[in-house]
Amino acid sequence: GAVVSQHPSRVICKSGTSVKIECRSLDFQATTMFWYRQFPKQSLMLMATSNEGSKATYEQGVEKDKFLINHASLTLSTLTVTSAHPEDSSFYICSASRTSGGRNEQFFGPGTRLTVL
Amino acid sequence: SQELEQSPQSLIVQEGKNLTINCTSSKTLYGLYWYKQKYGEGLIFLMMLQKGGEEKSHEKITAKLDEKKQQSSLHITASQPSHAGIYLCGAATNRDDKIIFGKGTRLHILP
Repeated sequence: GAVVSQHPSRVICKSGTSVKIECRSLDFQATTMFWYRQFPKQSLMLMATSNEGSKATYEQGVEKDKFLINHASLTLSTLTVTSAHPEDSSFYICSASRTSGGRNEQFFGPGTRLTVL
Repeated sequence: SQELEQSPQSLIVQEGKNLTINCTSSKTLYGLYWYKQKYGEGLIFLMMLQKGGEEKSHEKITAKLDEKKQQSSLHITASQPSHAGIYLCGAATNRDDKIIFGKGTRLHILP
């Protein structure tokens, strides 16, 4: 199956700093990548949809200036949490989409745990 | 907006017993996904259903999508400790691939 990686898997940073999370599709080109966040004991919440070479589409309530998304290639999307605060501490998961056999398939990364002190 | 209701929220089952998790959408679905997650880890893809009345099985897990494409069930037969985790249903309501998730069902298996 297709593999999606995320880096780093864990990051701890000080309040006010920025953190970049990478999402890579390792063995396929992803038409679209998605970013989710998950609070403890809650479901995944879609933050934004990212297409290569264009601006990301953010879900309602997600600050685009706070969560910068760059989709530089068909295999890499990055999420930068700017001026991070403790309330940004969460589990961030990306997914990458591809079309196979006429169906859209979506593969998820292992997630990045962000802790802001 | 699209809403997915999962039930039950939590489930405790004796090992060897069967169980069912339900997922109901407020809108007709383009696709319905089932994932499993160990807390703090990534998602494991289980199955995707797209056609009304479709049913798929993988090992001891069977998922069905109703004819109206608004309700899905995930059935586990003869549950094992390895089945424990959080089960999430995700729905795509059109072809833009965006998946919205339900709140999940926490499954505990008692030995």
